[in-house]
Amino acid sequence: AQSVTQPDIHITVSEGASLELRCNYSYGATPYLFWYVQSPGQGLQLLLKYFSGDTLVQGIKGFEAEFKRSQSSFNLRKPSVHWSDAAEYFCAVGASQAGTALIFGKGTTLSVSS
Amino acid sequence: GAVVSQHPSRVICKSGTSVKIECRSLDFQATTMFWYRQFPKQSLMLMATSNEGSKATYEQGVEKDKFLINHASLTLSTLTVTSAHPEDSSFYICSAAEGWGAGDQPQHFGDGTRLSIL
Repeated sequence: AQSVTQPDIHITVSEGASLELRCNYSYGATPYLFWYVQSPGQGLQLLLKYFSGDTLVQGIKGFEAEFKRSQSSFNLRKPSVHWSDAAEYFCAVGASQAGTALIFGKGTTLSVSS
Repeated sequence: GAVVSQHPSRVICKSGTSVKIECRSLDFQATTMFWYRQFPKQSLMLMATSNEGSKATYEQGVEKDKFLINHASLTLSTLTVTSAHPEDSSFYICSAAEGWGAGDQPQHFGDGTRLSIL
């Protein structure tokens, strides 16, 4: 079955410290992978996406993610976290077929301490 | 960039009322739109896939007669929660994919609608 697992429900990071949010997926075909961020009461904003090619993808707001097929992972990283990065982060997987929805992980809440 | 507008952002109404939520793609055509429901502190659960000019495809466990979806044009899909009850209170989010909704076209999300049924 297709699924996305985000093992960490809640992470607290000091401002200026590095961040890594984990994401593992189970998918029968070549996955299209996404990371979204959601602020309280808001919709989702796309941080970055992976379709093919270079396995290290750069996104907005200084985020990057690395696709590792052997580990079925797509972890999100940021070298230096800012207080404004506190939010809910969702990893998602999609198919190449037209008209298919994304499958989301349960999300990781990021808190940033000063 | 591509923008999806969702309206209203918040609705508070009495039990038994029907509520319509609109999802518009502002600068692109979306053959496919998706409706999700999100409970507090939880992930997004797909409710249905809305295809322009045809019937929506509902996920298992989602009542078709309760959640009516209409996708009459390439830029507008509506979700109507009929005879809403307190258990329907939730955060509803739509998304639209550019073009034919292929996986390599990123989905753009609306800002969501907070529905509260009293």
